[in-house]
Amino acid sequence: DAGVTQSPTHLIKTRGQHVTLRCSPISGHKSVSWYQQVLGQGPQFIFQYYEKEERGRGNFPDRFSARQFPNYSSELNVNALLLGDSALYLCASSLDAWEQYFGPGTRLTVT
Amino acid sequence: KNEVEQSPQNLTAQEGEFITINCSYSVGISALHWLQQHPGGGIVSLFMLSSGKKKHGRLIATINIQEKHSSLHITASHPRDSAVYICAAHNYGGSQGNLIFGKGTKLSVKP
Repeated sequence: DAGVTQSPTHLIKTRGQHVTLRCSPISGHKSVSWYQQVLGQGPQFIFQYYEKEERGRGNFPDRFSARQFPNYSSELNVNALLLGDSALYLCASSLDAWEQYFGPGTRLTVT
Repeated sequence: KNEVEQSPQNLTAQEGEFITINCSYSVGISALHWLQQHPGGGIVSLFMLSSGKKKHGRLIATINIQEKHSSLHITASHPRDSAVYICAAHNYGGSQGNLIFGKGTKLSVKP
């Protein structure tokens, strides 16, 4: 069975641009969470979606938004990119929002 | 002070040594994860536990809820165990997808 997949793998953007990151959960999983991991730090929680509804939001500005589609895949959108948004963005899926399975991540570089 | 603290930050061991990584948390939790992250970013969930002890191969995880402390042990360490080990807490009462992560322990096992 395929694990959690994320696209793209790597991405380079310039300040002020917009970016969309995508995540496909494990088949049957209804919950998707997004995390940001800045180099040298542990991941920070951004959003959780369960059954297409937002169930949790971390301490991130409104430039960050997300949604979950009927097939449970998810998008993370970041507007007006800043240099500090450069990070590894991790998606995790779970069947019941507890035990989470992580994707390989999308490495975003903002120049 | 971070809500989840790990020690040590960096650890170098010789192949075959017994390794212990510690995690202390200050929040009420409903479960704690131990995760492994290899260079390149991919995260693998090793354990999720809410009490007692779990064992998988050469890995053992323990948790003491009263003392708010968990340990990850690796027996007969091997160079392929080299990775960053992260503990992450499910904050009790928070969104189930909201994991609070430690900063990670970078383990290097020398042959």
